[in-house]
Amino acid sequence: SQELEQSPQSLIVQEGKNLTINCTSSKTLYGLYWYKQKYGEGLIFLMMLQKGGEEKSHEKITAKLDEKKQQSSLHITASQPSHAGIYLCGADYNQGGKLIFGQGTELSVKP
Amino acid sequence: GAGVSQSPSNKVTEKGKDVELRCDPISGHTALYWYRQSLGQGLEFLIYFQGNSAPDKSGLPSDRFSAERTGGSVSTLTIQRTQQEDSAVYLCASSLAYTRSTDTQYFGPGTRLTVL
Repeated sequence: SQELEQSPQSLIVQEGKNLTINCTSSKTLYGLYWYKQKYGEGLIFLMMLQKGGEEKSHEKITAKLDEKKQQSSLHITASQPSHAGIYLCGADYNQGGKLIFGQGTELSVKP
Repeated sequence: GAGVSQSPSNKVTEKGKDVELRCDPISGHTALYWYRQSLGQGLEFLIYFQGNSAPDKSGLPSDRFSAERTGGSVSTLTIQRTQQEDSAVYLCASSLAYTRSTDTQYFGPGTRLTVL
């Protein structure tokens, strides 16, 4: 969707390196969701952000939502092969209900 | 069950045939969503249910697509007279309720539909 842009589209990193994926919205979000998908599988929920300036962490993954609630970043510290997959951001523009997704970022981690 | 389940996991059909895809949401989740994921279009919303009602059908691509939900639980997505462009992975998600933005959508594994 043009409402939500993810970058980069793909990323190859060496194991142990840090990386960041960005998700930029053309309008204010009520909520921003991050999911991970492995080939042939469904989406695994990672984190949800609602408040401007909010930051959440789970294991080595940290996600932030900027103050204006139009951009989010997902940061992985000391990447591992298990982090490989497609990362998708999904935007809630209606205060509940359907999500609009970005095109996804395909992450490969080289051992 | 513990999560959202979908069946079949794979479906191969011939152009022009009808197909039915099933979604079994997480127990107690009142909201249910259908999305479609294809190479060219990414992940697109199709329809959502709150209980057995479908307030938003805006994502259904044509009148060949329909969905129903019975008993506030299982949902079926039906595609009539399938076309090759219908080939995609159809994902179902459920959440506790529709009206609260904090309710996370949990996804099933998807049904991969191939139309020959």
